[in-house]
Amino acid sequence: DVKVTQSSRYLVKRTGEKVFLECVQDMDHENMFWYRQDPGLGLRLIYFSYDVKMKEKGDIPEGYSVSREKKERFSLILESASTNQTSMYLCASSLRSSFATQYFGPGTRLTVL
Amino acid sequence: KQEVTQIPAALSVPEGENLVLNCSFTDSAIYNLQWFRQDPGKGLTSLLLIQSSQREQTSGRLNASLDKSSGRSTLYIAASQPGDSATYLCAGNSGGGADGLTFGKGTHLIIQP
Repeated sequence: DVKVTQSSRYLVKRTGEKVFLECVQDMDHENMFWYRQDPGLGLRLIYFSYDVKMKEKGDIPEGYSVSREKKERFSLILESASTNQTSMYLCASSLRSSFATQYFGPGTRLTVL
Repeated sequence: KQEVTQIPAALSVPEGENLVLNCSFTDSAIYNLQWFRQDPGKGLTSLLLIQSSQREQTSGRLNASLDKSSGRSTLYIAASQPGDSATYLCAGNSGGGADGLTFGKGTHLIIQP
């Protein structure tokens, strides 16, 4: 079974803090993704990566950066957290194929005070 | 830009009924369409993926269809059970092997015992 794990289920941070969200997958997938999910807005793509050290902006990259130093790990970074970044963050991974299923982690619920 | 719409936003039916969830998308150049299930506060579980060349996929009591020409997909659930209660999300991949998914906002399904 594919397993995607995220470092925290719940996280509370203060405005202006630097925040790291970690995601690890164990299936040697090339692609990894970060989404955020908000009531009324649904899931939106923040960033994705199709290889180590490669990254592409999604639909809402502003205020975020990412890092992929190893194939199995994809980090989402909030350089200076703001209250409007309070959200559920979901990581996913897939093979590099147009027909590949995306597998999701359990999510991190981040609250920025 | 791909847009995905799901109707209805919420649905409540008695146990045992067969039901259909609807998903429409604007860009017919879609590589695949994926249906997910999300339980409250949890990540997404992949249910079915339909490739652009396919018309339908089946898994147990679930059947998903894809009609690219009309921009529609349906998820059919047979003999519904209380354990089927969840939010169901459809998502399309229009960008090829490395792109993220564009999600609908989901249908919140309640199966009454």
